[in-house]
Amino acid sequence: DIQMTQSPSSLSASVGDRVTITCRASQGIGNALGWYQLKPGTAPKRLISAASRLQSGVPSRFSGSGSATEFTLTITSLQPEDFATYYCLQHKTYPYTFGQGTKLEIK
Amino acid sequence: QVQLQESGPRLVKPSETLSLTCSVSGGSVNKYYWSWLRQPPGKGLEWIANIFYSGSANYNPSLERRVTISVDTSKDQFSLKLSSVTAADTAVYYCAREVRLGITPHGFDLWGRGTMVTVSS
Repeated sequence: DIQMTQSPSSLSASVGDRVTITCRASQGIGNALGWYQLKPGTAPKRLISAASRLQSGVPSRFSGSGSATEFTLTITSLQPEDFATYYCLQHKTYPYTFGQGTKLEIK
Repeated sequence: QVQLQESGPRLVKPSETLSLTCSVSGGSVNKYYWSWLRQPPGKGLEWIANIFYSGSANYNPSLERRVTISVDTSKDQFSLKLSSVTAADTAVYYCAREVRLGITPHGFDLWGRGTMVTVSS
């Protein structure tokens, strides 16, 4: 299985801050990576596909970058609705695997 | 607007079979892959299995011997059965639609809200 190592596991930040979350793949996955936002009681939401493609309707303060084994999700100018848990997902090979998640909390 | 809704028992006894159904409303199961995923309390997400509308399926090896996924195109539904459950199978179970670019997987563009299933006697 491809292991996805996501960091940090938690992050405390303030409204208006810029934050970066990283995922490292145990082997090269090209750009077969997405970023997802989870909030309790709601359907998970895909923010980024193909490592850097912003999904329709997702604010431009979200951006993704990287390829092969190193990927980042950056949120500029944090908004109150951004406090959630974020996961990366590799879908290069079966079984699809997720990072351990990053819980973004309000400072 | 396509929506996914998970349904099934919220409480399952140990050693029994967990059964869930995902209903696709506002659209069709045709031409897509459909997945089940889960998140145990306090833990991360795990992909369980997927199925193409034609019936071709893929399974996570960690669960394969206990999992069956199926699709019913006449009802626009797909289902999960997980046998011989234990407390470790307690989780929020999600269904999701998988996008493909040609034959290349492209992640999950649509998810259900999830349903919490507890394994307990």
